[in-house]
Amino acid sequence: QVQLVQSGAEVRQPGASVKISCKASGYTFTTHSIHWIRQAPGQRLEWIGWINTGSGETKYSQKFQGRVIITRDTSANTAYMDLRGLTSEDTTLYYCARDRVGNDFWGQGTLVTVSA
Amino acid sequence: DIQLTQSPSTLSASVGDRVTITCRASQDINMWLSWYQQKPGKAPKLLIYQASFLESGVPSTFSGSGFGTEFTLTISSLQPDDFASYYCQQYIGYSRTFGQGTKLEIK
Repeated sequence: QVQLVQSGAEVRQPGASVKISCKASGYTFTTHSIHWIRQAPGQRLEWIGWINTGSGETKYSQKFQGRVIITRDTSANTAYMDLRGLTSEDTTLYYCARDRVGNDFWGQGTLVTVSA
Repeated sequence: DIQLTQSPSTLSASVGDRVTITCRASQDINMWLSWYQQKPGKAPKLLIYQASFLESGVPSTFSGSGFGTEFTLTISSLQPDDFASYYCQQYIGYSRTFGQGTKLEIK
């Protein structure tokens, strides 16, 4: 069965970076793009960016352009999101999600806390 | 960026009721709209894709309609498990945006 398993919760100081992983299983990794999406408590879902897992092409939301890098390792069936220059506003839950007419499978979420 | 506006933000209903949630797009998105259900502490679950296609395993009490800029999600007969938050999402091109959500509460 399709699964996306994300890395565990992270705590970072303001200005630091965080790298979250998303390991896929149950399907051919390179046939579906992976999106990264975040959600603050009680807030709407916010799209961060996308990677074509086959070609490695990426696209980012303008809001995060220059501050985020999404990569993938096809040998490990894993996608990564690296977010830099963290502020308190980045304290939230981050999801990876598989692309298919929307997003049909989601990771369990990774909580990132930014605190001095 | 394409903006999505859902209404209502909160909806109170009873088991067995028929409810409808609306999602309006700031520009034409053809049929490239999905609906999700989210429960507290859980990731969103895909219900409807391409505006009106039911995702595998989703009860037939859920249906979607619309095209262009106006879309609806209808639950024909509410079940206890349906009380949750619902989000629309557009996926024209590579970017994604979501509506602000509708919280469906028990009356």
